[in-house]
Amino acid sequence: DTGVSQDPRHKITKRGQNVTFRCDPISEHNRLYWYRQTLGQGPEFLTYFQNEAQLEKSRLLSDRFSAERPKGSFSTLEIQRTEQGDSAMYLCASSFLGGTEAFFGQGTRLTVV
Amino acid sequence: AQTVTQSQPEMSVQEAETVTLSCTYDTSENNYYLFWYKQPPSRQMILVIRQEAYKQQNATENRFSVNFQKAAKSFSLKISDSQLGDTAMYFCAFKVTGGYQKVTFGTGTKLQVIP
Repeated sequence: DTGVSQDPRHKITKRGQNVTFRCDPISEHNRLYWYRQTLGQGPEFLTYFQNEAQLEKSRLLSDRFSAERPKGSFSTLEIQRTEQGDSAMYLCASSFLGGTEAFFGQGTRLTVV
Repeated sequence: AQTVTQSQPEMSVQEAETVTLSCTYDTSENNYYLFWYKQPPSRQMILVIRQEAYKQQNATENRFSVNFQKAAKSFSLKISDSQLGDTAMYFCAFKVTGGYQKVTFGTGTKLQVIP
């Protein structure tokens, strides 16, 4: 499978715990995006990487959120001190540098109890 | 800032019939792309169709076609000969052309194809 891969698919955590999600983009893609999708809403942009550089962060990305893309390959999204409002689907997407189409992973569904 | 509005939260259509999903957007940009993405239940989002704003001709992809009205900022999706596999959430999305630009999504339309 050469698509965008996300791990885990589902995560249930207690409020206050830290969680980390991983995204493996399509290998030739320079650009990587993280989106958050809550129930009944469309995906909302969180952050963007071009290779290893994080070039944009949404104001939705509070101080408790951090994303990395070491070596410009896979990316991780960490949420510290999770809150119930963090419950959502976290989507990763990747694209070519000059491409218009973003390819999405299946997402990680986070439930904070 | 760009906004994308989908005013139909849910729709249904009989198998083999035609259905149209509506989308309006707001932008001050002149060069942009519009997309329709499909998100089947528990599966990843995939691109259905793409329209470049500078092209007057409406995009088509097999059973999927769009009606792009630039002046009205309207971008509807027509699905012909609906199939059970078309059951999904459909998101209208917008992206400014050039360099890196994030994609802005609408709230989605849940389409149910009824056998």
